[in-house]
Amino acid sequence: GQQVMQIPQYQHVQEGEDFTTYCNSSTTLSNIQWYKQRPGGHPVFLIQLVKSGEVKKQKRLTFQFGEAKKNSSLHITATQTTDVGTYFCAGPLSGGSNYKLTFGKGTLLTVNP
Amino acid sequence: ETGVTQTPRHLVMGMTNKKSLKCEQHLGHNAMYWYKQSAKKPLELMFVYNFKEQTENNSVPSRFSPECPNSSHLFLHLHTLQPEDSALYLCASSQEGLADYEQFFGPGTRLTVL
Repeated sequence: GQQVMQIPQYQHVQEGEDFTTYCNSSTTLSNIQWYKQRPGGHPVFLIQLVKSGEVKKQKRLTFQFGEAKKNSSLHITATQTTDVGTYFCAGPLSGGSNYKLTFGKGTLLTVNP
Repeated sequence: ETGVTQTPRHLVMGMTNKKSLKCEQHLGHNAMYWYKQSAKKPLELMFVYNFKEQTENNSVPSRFSPECPNSSHLFLHLHTLQPEDSALYLCASSQEGLADYEQFFGPGTRLTVL
């Protein structure tokens, strides 16, 4: 079946260091979404990428969608303690509607102050 | 707050009990979802309702029974669960038909099956 894989599973950084998480799909995606889940919280939507090669920025966060629309990355510049949480990528089920998502396992980011 | 509420927030039940989880969205969305989140596993889509019609059942065991009486409310009826069903159950909603497919999640129900 369709898989969405994320690496690394865990990442611990010192405050101020950069962080990147990578997402790879076994199939081409029509779009990809990123969510953040704080410890004890629920997933919160960050962004959606649709176009091949698309790059979007939100303050210190940079999101990229690969040219082949099978991979994506999230890069955080100069991490802060507020960035702590698990970052998930998600893409539509192959052959399904855009709202039926397959989630990656997520990358848990911890930040040492 | 995301506009999606879930009750109860925590639930402990025995394997022979019957209980229900409730979800309500106040966003006017037309699609609602149940997800299961277990430790060390990806978020798993269980059921999708679009305009009150079930459009996805992701091979979920029959001991989980969803109900969607209207586009604002979603229930998950539980009976004869197993300990491995212990997990965080998340409800989400979205507006199907828009260019953005953002899903809004509720706070979840932490379920423990003894």
